[in-house]
Amino acid sequence: QVQFVQSGAEVREPGASVKVSCKSSGYSSTTWLVDWVRQAPGQRPEWMGQITIGNGDTKYSQNVQGRVTITRDTSANTAYMELSSLRSEDTAVYFCARRNPTNNAMDVWGQGTTVTVSS
Amino acid sequence: DIVMTQSPLSLPVTPGEPASISCRSSQSLLHGSTYNFLNWFLQKPGQSPQLLIYLASNRASGVPDRFSGSGSGTDFTLKISRVEAEDIGVYYCMQSLQLPLTFGGGTKVEIK
Repeated sequence: QVQFVQSGAEVREPGASVKVSCKSSGYSSTTWLVDWVRQAPGQRPEWMGQITIGNGDTKYSQNVQGRVTITRDTSANTAYMELSSLRSEDTAVYFCARRNPTNNAMDVWGQGTTVTVSS
Repeated sequence: DIVMTQSPLSLPVTPGEPASISCRSSQSLLHGSTYNFLNWFLQKPGQSPQLLIYLASNRASGVPDRFSGSGSGTDFTLKISRVEAEDIGVYYCMQSLQLPLTFGGGTKVEIK
């Protein structure tokens, strides 16, 4: 059974950084993508970026470009999303999700990590 | 960016009755004259979104056959043939044709 387990909730002050992890189990294909999606309270989900597990290629949303870095550690089956220069508008639940490159469907999601930015 | 627009915003439903949600994209989601890169998700309260439909009309693994997706180009529909109590939550459409991937504003389905 494919599973994505994310790290726990975080609280940061404005201007700080946060790094969220997403550990996968139950599959090993390196052609898959991992997306990071965030959802502010009462808002629609917002795509932040993606990483190709095999070659580490990344693409980012212009909304967070320059502040977000997505990486992966294939030996640990873990993907990471780091967001810097945090502001109150970054308060959200952050999700990782697996995307099949054949049909571009996000078929497995992590449980979500709440990041709260507050002074 | 491709803008996704859903209607209605809220949908009160009666168990056993059908329900329908619409999604419109600002650009065609048809690729290669064959595939429409349109997905439907259900997000139950306090949970992650779960994939229901991909490529506009393909049910994801484990999704009951009362859920069906249709449409092409810029207009899409999710139908539930007979709503059950476990179907309540917020439904989102999402385009995966081009980056950035974008989501609709959501349709909240609740029991009357």
